[in-house]
Amino acid sequence: NAGVMQNPRHLVRRRGQEARLRCSPMKGHSHVYWYRQLPEEGLKFMVYLQKENIIDESGMPKERFSAEFPKEGPSILRIQQVVRGDSAAYFCASSPDRGGNNEQFFGPGTRLTVL
Amino acid sequence: QKEVEQNSGPLSVPEGAIASLNCTYSDRGSQSFFWYRQYSGKSPELIMSIYSNGDKEDGRFTAQLNKASQYVSLLIRDSQPSDSATYLCAGDSSYKLIFGSGTRLLVRP
Repeated sequence: NAGVMQNPRHLVRRRGQEARLRCSPMKGHSHVYWYRQLPEEGLKFMVYLQKENIIDESGMPKERFSAEFPKEGPSILRIQQVVRGDSAAYFCASSPDRGGNNEQFFGPGTRLTVL
Repeated sequence: QKEVEQNSGPLSVPEGAIASLNCTYSDRGSQSFFWYRQYSGKSPELIMSIYSNGDKEDGRFTAQLNKASQYVSLLIRDSQPSDSATYLCAGDSSYKLIFGSGTRLLVRP
């Protein structure tokens, strides 16, 4: 049973470029969460999605960041016009249906470096 | 502001000892609590979840929850050098997890 998959594992972008991070949840999981971990800091919630729906994006910066989870394919976190402060590890987690206890399982993360 | 607080450590224990990690939370609405282990440069790995007051044991790990005191702890028995990592405490807030900043554990051989 494959776990949460994320790609790329490492991404280098120059200031002003776009970054696209992809996440495929565990099989049987329909809930996807994105978290960001800045260097030497804790994990911060960004956005929660279900298929074709953004449920909560209260942790997302208002500008330049967007997320989607289409009917087919992986969830995408998109960062436009990246700045150095966007350099961080971005983790995706997934959980099974809402009847569970909200155990979230994390992918390996994408480490974004902005030059 | 809903918060989860942890001592950043490092907590240093000798091999074979019991490591005790603690966490407090501010959101009385949180129902579920989780302990994740994170090795340097790696992703968080879920090691324990607890939903009810009291103790929950799984192998060498015991999680404790006291909702009245808003306190969660993790005990690691017979600590091994391979347990050296950062341990993250998290509480749920509806569906999203609120994480503490983590406690770094160092197990000395």
